[in-house]
Amino acid sequence: EAQVTQNPRYLITVTGKKLTVTCSQNMNHEYMSWYRQDPGLGLRQIYYSMNVEVTDKGDVPEGYKVSRKEKRNFPLILESPSPNQTSLYFCASSPRGGDHEKLFFGSGTQLSVL
Amino acid sequence: ILNVEQSPQSLHVQEGDSTNFTCSFPSSNFYALHWYRWETAKSPEALFVMTLNGDEKKKGRISATLNTKEGYSYLYIKGSQPEDSATYLCAFSGGYNKLIFGAGTRLAVHP
Repeated sequence: EAQVTQNPRYLITVTGKKLTVTCSQNMNHEYMSWYRQDPGLGLRQIYYSMNVEVTDKGDVPEGYKVSRKEKRNFPLILESPSPNQTSLYFCASSPRGGDHEKLFFGSGTQLSVL
Repeated sequence: ILNVEQSPQSLHVQEGDSTNFTCSFPSSNFYALHWYRWETAKSPEALFVMTLNGDEKKKGRISATLNTKEGYSYLYIKGSQPEDSATYLCAFSGGYNKLIFGAGTRLAVHP
């Protein structure tokens, strides 16, 4: 089944403890992206990747890192999480990242930073 | 700063009612307008991607129209069913492989 898989689904952590949220897609998509969703706001892009070893900042990159060593994986790293990073996170992918291509989303990761 | 507005923020309707909501976006540098359906605890799923002024798309009881000159899109649901309950997201693309999302319209359909 074609899908974007995120793990974990829920995560509670404490300020400063490094964490990684994994994202994997099995559709051979070149484009992958991370978003965060906060109440009353639209999805905001954190980082995106047009292909392997090509990553770029989105609108809210501060406090996050990403890597794209393989086409299928695009992990999101929080080196020193803070409470303002408590949010619902979505990974998404599309074939080539064109403006006309629909995004395929993962099931989300609800992160709480205490 | 590019802004995408969706209205209303939330909507409660009875089963069988038809309903519609609005997405407003910048009318310049238009590339595409996306609609997604997001059920609670699930992934957002694409409904439509619209690219041309005057575009109309339809999927079952759901349809959408696009006016790029005035910067709005309408999503219509005919004969709402409880399974239509979800948050409907629109997203504007002004190029550069970047989507700007609205905050969504939360629809609740009551039996």
